[in-house]
Amino acid sequence: AQSVTQLGSHVSVSEGALVLLRCNYSSSVPPYLFWYVQYPNQGLQLLLKYTTGATLVKGINGFEAEFKKSETSFHLTKPSAHMSDAAEYFCAVSGGYSTLTFGKGTMLLVSP
Amino acid sequence: KAGVTQTPRYLIKTRGQQVTLSCSPISGHRSVSWYQQTPGQGLQFLFEYFSETQRNKGNFPGRFSGRQFSNSRSEMNVSTLELGDSALYLCASSLEIRETQYFGPGTRLLVL
Repeated sequence: AQSVTQLGSHVSVSEGALVLLRCNYSSSVPPYLFWYVQYPNQGLQLLLKYTTGATLVKGINGFEAEFKKSETSFHLTKPSAHMSDAAEYFCAVSGGYSTLTFGKGTMLLVSP
Repeated sequence: KAGVTQTPRYLIKTRGQQVTLSCSPISGHRSVSWYQQTPGQGLQFLFEYFSETQRNKGNFPGRFSGRQFSNSRSEMNVSTLELGDSALYLCASSLEIRETQYFGPGTRLLVL
């Protein structure tokens, strides 16, 4: 069984500031980890994923995440926020099958 | 390559009716999964199909069913609709089981 906890339902940053969205997971098997972004009235867009290998994963739009097994974490970061980053972000884990277990989501608010 | 398509995009039904939603995966993808997204429960897994076989099922009542055709297109059906079935229904496809899932734009169902 797996689960995901995203700390903070809302995160507010200023444009140009560091973005940090937190995700902790639990999994009974080696996890695959994902971050997806959802813009209003749209589906989910894949930002990045970790399967095996390098623990620092780079994704689209300048986002990256680091898999830390000892901390069971997969936090999402971006050095400099842009207004267009405002959206809801979901961390997800998959176990033996494709089934994704999602966190509750974090709404990122970016102010000018 | 075209993405995942879902039809219809919006749907209004009344309690007690049934509804069928359709999903066309990315060309060449053989696995299709369905998720329900609501403000209260977040993203929840419904079922996963691969090569016309249901491989995994989430914790939903038997009113929710699905199938996959030989061309990998999938449908899900909800019978005897309840108000609580109002949600965004997302379909995702992947090449194989445990490959990265790519999501469609969703079908927004409103039950009155």
